[in-house]
Amino acid sequence: EAQVTQNPRYLITVTGKKLTVTCSQNMNHEYMSWYRQDPGLGLRQIYYSMNVEVTDKGDVPEGYKVSRKEKRNFPLILESPSPNQTSLYFCASRPTGSGWTPLHFGNGTRLTVT
Amino acid sequence: GNSVTQMEGPVTLSEEAFLTINCTYTATGYPSLFWYVQYPGEGLQLLLKATKADDKGSNKGFEATYRKETTSFHLEKGSVQVSDSAVYFCALSFPGAGTALIFGKGTTLSVSS
Repeated sequence: EAQVTQNPRYLITVTGKKLTVTCSQNMNHEYMSWYRQDPGLGLRQIYYSMNVEVTDKGDVPEGYKVSRKEKRNFPLILESPSPNQTSLYFCASRPTGSGWTPLHFGNGTRLTVT
Repeated sequence: GNSVTQMEGPVTLSEEAFLTINCTYTATGYPSLFWYVQYPGEGLQLLLKATKADDKGSNKGFEATYRKETTSFHLEKGSVQVSDSAVYFCALSFPGAGTALIFGKGTTLSVSS
C-alpha cells in the first residue's frame, strides 16, 4: 500500500530534550515536506526537500532541522524543543516532474513539550 | 503575499442540509486551487482541485468553481452526510516542483443525524 508513515503518533517530552520524528514514504517520491498544524493557524510549512541531499526552509523553520540522506526518509529533528513547538506535525510527499500531482500526507505526530 | 482566507467554523448542519464553505485567496499570478479534507485522527486528503479560471473541481458530491473575478473557490455540497464531518482546508499552489501549498486555517464541519 502506498503510504507516508510517521512515527511516533504521539510524543510527550520536556524542554531541551532532543527528539526526532521519522517520516518514510514507499512511493519513490522526490519531494517531501514537513508541516505543523496549529489551531487557528492552519498548516504551515517547516522544511521541504526536492530530492536526496537537497533541503530548504519553509515558512517556519526556526528550531527545526531536517536531513535527506535517502529518498524514502525525511526525519524532522528538534535539537532543543520548547513549549511553543507543541503542535501536530505532518509529513507529506509527492513526485516531481511534468504534470501536477497531489501531496500524500502521513497521519500526523502530536507533540507535546512541557 | 499569497494567502487563503476561509470562513471560520465550526459549521454545524443536519444531515441532508446544503453546505457552503467560503474560501477567498490573494495571490500574485494564477495559482491552482485545492480543497483538502482531514478526517479525525488522519492526515489530509485531496478532495478536489481546479487549475485555471472557471474550472470546476468535483468529488464525492462536493464541488468548487475557480472564480478569478472574485478570487474565490467556495466549497459546496447539496446534501451532507454524517460521514462528511471533518475539517476542510482550502489551499493554493503555483506551478513548479518546489512550491509549497499555502493553506487556509481550516473549517470544521459537524453533521448530525
